[in-house]
Amino acid sequence: QKEVEQNSGPLSVPEGAIASLNCTYSDRVSQSFFWYRQYSGKSPELIMSIYSNGDKEDGRFTAQLNKASQYVSLLIRDSQPSDSATYLCAVIKDLTLNQFYFGTGTSLTVIP
Amino acid sequence: ETGVTQTPRHLVMGMTNKKSLKCEQHLGHNAMYWYKQSAKKPLELMFVYSLEERVENNSVPSRFSPECPNSSHLFLHLHTLQPEDSALYLCASSQDGTTYNEQFFGPGTRLTVL
Repeated sequence: QKEVEQNSGPLSVPEGAIASLNCTYSDRVSQSFFWYRQYSGKSPELIMSIYSNGDKEDGRFTAQLNKASQYVSLLIRDSQPSDSATYLCAVIKDLTLNQFYFGTGTSLTVIP
Repeated sequence: ETGVTQTPRHLVMGMTNKKSLKCEQHLGHNAMYWYKQSAKKPLELMFVYSLEERVENNSVPSRFSPECPNSSHLFLHLHTLQPEDSALYLCASSQDGTTYNEQFFGPGTRLTVL
């Protein structure tokens, strides 16, 4: 079983729509959750981190965490073509053991 | 571009060669990381250094040998690699190595093992 699972996509949304990206994780004791964006040929960059249940908003981005269901999602409002990238979900399973896992990523295309 | 640089950007080596990847961070961070990114596979954490001390190697094969001479520099020494080691090797740094938050990645070294 993979530690972190994401739908690889591709996910296509029209410009201005809401893009919804989902991620599930295997271990209930996982502590911290991150969303990274990776443009083609570039390195990942952190978009958001979330540590407690509920929603966390930052500009057009909202991260949602539900520990009971073991999923974390990222909503992108008013999607722009510049949001087209691969979005990586990452999870800290055990900080003391440096168990930090990434998903394979979801490819998002925003259509003008 | 972030304050993390990596050299070389591309490397082709034979299975019997010895080479080194270099990473330098200009952000004043105390933790540095090596990751491996292969096609269709998740980004894999290889090594973590916090305050120049290796914290975890995550069961990486011994043909990969990290070195962190100071908080700004990180090396990955390669020897007798296998073709399946061909991948993008990413270096990252963060203010501290205790939370994994706010990691800044370098551009990566694209390694091809023949």
